[in-house]
Amino acid sequence: GQQLNQSPQSMFIQEGEDVSMNCTSSSIFNTWLWYKQDPGEGPVLLIALYKAGELTSNGRLTAQFGITRKDSFLNISASIPSDVGIYFCAGPAYTDKLIFGTGTRLQVFP
Amino acid sequence: DVKVTQSSRYLVKRTGEKVFLECVQDMDHENMFWYRQDPGLGLRLIYFSYDVKMKEKGDIPEGYSVSREKKERFSLILESASTNQTSMYLCASRKQGVETQYFGPGTRLLVL
Repeated sequence: GQQLNQSPQSMFIQEGEDVSMNCTSSSIFNTWLWYKQDPGEGPVLLIALYKAGELTSNGRLTAQFGITRKDSFLNISASIPSDVGIYFCAGPAYTDKLIFGTGTRLQVFP
Repeated sequence: DVKVTQSSRYLVKRTGEKVFLECVQDMDHENMFWYRQDPGLGLRLIYFSYDVKMKEKGDIPEGYSVSREKKERFSLILESASTNQTSMYLCASRKQGVETQYFGPGTRLLVL
């Protein structure tokens, strides 16, 4: 079945550092979604990507839709303490459902 | 802004109790979803609904049922709660034909 592999599993960084994470799929996706989940809360949509090669920014966050359509990348520049949380990628499965990556847990130290 | 609300943030129930988790969305979305989230297992789909009175099994429907009597409301029912149903439950909704799902804040359920 379709799978999403997300890496790294966790990151421990200092405030001000840049962050990069990625997501790879075993099959082609037409949409990539990136969510962030704060501790104890539900996931919140950060960025949606709809076209191969697309690069989209949302403040300090930038996401890219890989040209092979099997991967996507999320970068966070100049991290701050409120960036702490779990970042999930997601894409549509054949059956009209979303598949989620296993998440990247980000910890930011002052 | 899309708003998805869940009836409780925290619940404690006893084994064997019937448990109702309610989810309401205010954006007239056709599709609604129930997930559970467990450490190391990510988000797993329990049930979803394309529209009123419609329901489809997700990946882990055993031990759960759902009800969608009104478009804005999607209920998850644990007929007889068990300790292995202790989890974080997340509801989501989306407009038909659009992949983006919007999540509620979650209900953390503890079954003793």
